[in-house]
Amino acid sequence: GAVVSQHPSWVICKSGTSVKIECRSLDFQATTMFWYRQFPKQSLMLMATSNEGSKATYEQGVEKDKFLINHASLTLSTLTVTSAHPEDSSFYICSVGHQRDTGELFFGEGSRLTVL
Amino acid sequence: AQSVSQHNHHVILSEAASLELGCNYSYGGTVNLFWYVQYPGQHLQLLLKYFSGDPLVKGIKGFEAEFIKSKFSFNLRKPSVQWSDTAEYFCAVSPTGGGNKLTFGTGTQLKVEL
Repeated sequence: GAVVSQHPSWVICKSGTSVKIECRSLDFQATTMFWYRQFPKQSLMLMATSNEGSKATYEQGVEKDKFLINHASLTLSTLTVTSAHPEDSSFYICSVGHQRDTGELFFGEGSRLTVL
Repeated sequence: AQSVSQHNHHVILSEAASLELGCNYSYGGTVNLFWYVQYPGQHLQLLLKYFSGDPLVKGIKGFEAEFIKSKFSFNLRKPSVQWSDTAEYFCAVSPTGGGNKLTFGTGTQLKVEL
């Protein structure tokens, strides 16, 4: 399976600042990556689909200007939380699908964001 | 849109006990079904999957799940759990042919005691 790595694993920032989280597919060229968000004791919620070389596709209710996604290469997608606020504190997880339309995903270790 | 419901949020079992975790989904079309597991400190990983065919699927580490279409269910089972099965288990669904977008349940935290 694919090896997916995220960085940083955890980050603390002040309210109003922006934070960038990287997701790398280490052994697989991914044209598509998925960004999920998980609140404590809740399910993973799909935020957006990151598409290499084109705009990300955001799920309903996710602010695209708040959560900027860039997928500049086949092995790297970035999620930038802009002007972060305490309510953005969460666990952000990226994933990669090896095969199209199977739903079988490989996940990164996640990045925990705490906004003070 | 699809949704997934997991009935048990926390389960505590003794070693060698049998396990069954419930999962129901809501969706009008055909789906692919998954159970993912997250061991402490590790990534989410696939435990087993159902795409089509035999509704009883077997996964890693002795786990199995049965797809019952009439009940929209995909319950996870293991006849005899081990301490190393302590983890969080997530049921997930994706529409067949709908890309790799998964909808997850809220997860079940399983603790196996020695």
